[in-house]
Amino acid sequence: EVQLVESGGGQVKPGGSLRLSCAVSGFTFSSYSMNWIRQAPGKGLEWVASMSISGSFIYHADSVKGRFTISRDNSKSLLYLQMNSLKAEDTAVYYCGRGRYSGTTSDFWGQGTLVTVSS
Amino acid sequence: EIVLTQSPGTLSLSPGDRATLSCRASQSVTSNNLAWHQQKPGQAPRLLIYGTSNRATGIPDRFSGSGDGTDFTLTISRLEPEDFAVYYCQQYGSSPMYSFGQGTKLEIK
Repeated sequence: EVQLVESGGGQVKPGGSLRLSCAVSGFTFSSYSMNWIRQAPGKGLEWVASMSISGSFIYHADSVKGRFTISRDNSKSLLYLQMNSLKAEDTAVYYCGRGRYSGTTSDFWGQGTLVTVSS
Repeated sequence: EIVLTQSPGTLSLSPGDRATLSCRASQSVTSNNLAWHQQKPGQAPRLLIYGTSNRATGIPDRFSGSGDGTDFTLTISRLEPEDFAVYYCQQYGSSPMYSFGQGTKLEIK
C-alpha cells in the first residue's frame, strides 16, 4: 500500500525556520519525482516545489523561491522541505505528493502537516 | 503566467444528477497536461483524471474528463452521495510549472 507521511510541522514565529519531512512506503521512492503542495486554511491548493528522481531538476514556486528548498534522500526514502524566513502567509497544511505520468501531476498524497507562522 | 479559472464556484445538485465542471486556462495548457483532483473536508486530495481524459487507478467510470487547449471539463455522469466534495483542476508545464484552479464546490441540493 502506497503511504506518504509528512512530519515536522508546528508553530513558528515570523522569520523562523522549519524542516518538513515526508516518509514514504509501499513504492520505490527513487523511481518517482516528488512534490510539495500547500493549502492555507479555508483556501485552495498551491504548488510549492518539485524535485526529479535524481534531484537533477528542482523547481520552486516564485512565492517561496530563495526561502524554501526541496531535497530528497533516496537511500532513506525521505523527501524534505527546508523552510526559512517564514512569513504569516506561509501558514498552511503542507502535503507531499508522488509525481506520476511523466511528473505532470501527483497520484498519491500524504495527509499533510500544519505549519502555523505567528508571533 | 498561466491562470486556471474554474466555474461555477459552487454547484448544487442532487444524487443521480449529472455534474459538469469547467476549467478555463488563460493560455493553452502544454500538451493538454490537465488533471482533476477531488478533496473532501479534512482529507488530502485524490487524483481523478490526468492528461485531460485518463482516469486514475480505481476511479469509477462515472468520472470523465474532456477538453483541449484552454477549455476543459470534468463530468460526473450520475452523482453518488460520496461525490459531493471540492474539485480542483491542475495544469503542468506552463509557468508556473504547476498551478491549480481555485476549486468548485459540489454540494447537495
